[in-house]
Amino acid sequence: NAGVMQNPRHLVRRRGQEARLRCSPMKGHSHVYWYRQLPEEGLKFMVYLQKENIIDESGMPKERFSAEFPKEGPSILRIQQVVRGDSAAYFCASSLLGRQETQYFGPGTRLLVL
Amino acid sequence: KQEVTQIPAALSVPEGENLVLNCSFTDSAIYNLQWFRQDPGKGLTSLLLIQSSQREQTSGRLNASLDKSSGRSTLYIAASQPGDSATYLCAVSRTGTASKLTFGTGTRLQVTL
Repeated sequence: NAGVMQNPRHLVRRRGQEARLRCSPMKGHSHVYWYRQLPEEGLKFMVYLQKENIIDESGMPKERFSAEFPKEGPSILRIQQVVRGDSAAYFCASSLLGRQETQYFGPGTRLLVL
Repeated sequence: KQEVTQIPAALSVPEGENLVLNCSFTDSAIYNLQWFRQDPGKGLTSLLLIQSSQREQTSGRLNASLDKSSGRSTLYIAASQPGDSATYLCAVSRTGTASKLTFGTGTRLQVTL
């Protein structure tokens, strides 16, 4: 059973460009979470999604950030008009409701905004 | 608002020592608590998960305890090895369904030869 996959692992963007981060959950998992780890800071929750639904986006910045988890395909975290402060590691996790709710994390995408 | 704190922020010990990492949280209404390790430039690996109704969990040389009433958890590592060097994170979830984790600040562990 493959783990949580994220791509790309590293992404470089110039200010004003768009960044798209992808996350494929573990097989059979229908719950996806996105977290952000800013340099020298802890992980902060951004958004929690189920298939085709956003359940909790309380940690998501109000502007420029959006997330989706379509019926088919990976979850996408989209950052429009990136700024230097968006440089961080973005981690995706997935879980299987009904089990112990352990969240399994992907390797992360490291975004660098020049 | 839940706040999670880990002490110490960094720790260096010689190989073979037993050690304890501490985690405290301000809101005792948690559903579970997880301990993770994070290696530099890598993702998180789940080590142990303790449900709120449990007092401890063990896996190999690791033992995690939970005291909800005092808002504390400890991770005990026996007979430390250089391969244990990593950052250790604790995280709590609040509600009864799969939900967001609130992470601590982490303890950076270095085990020296």
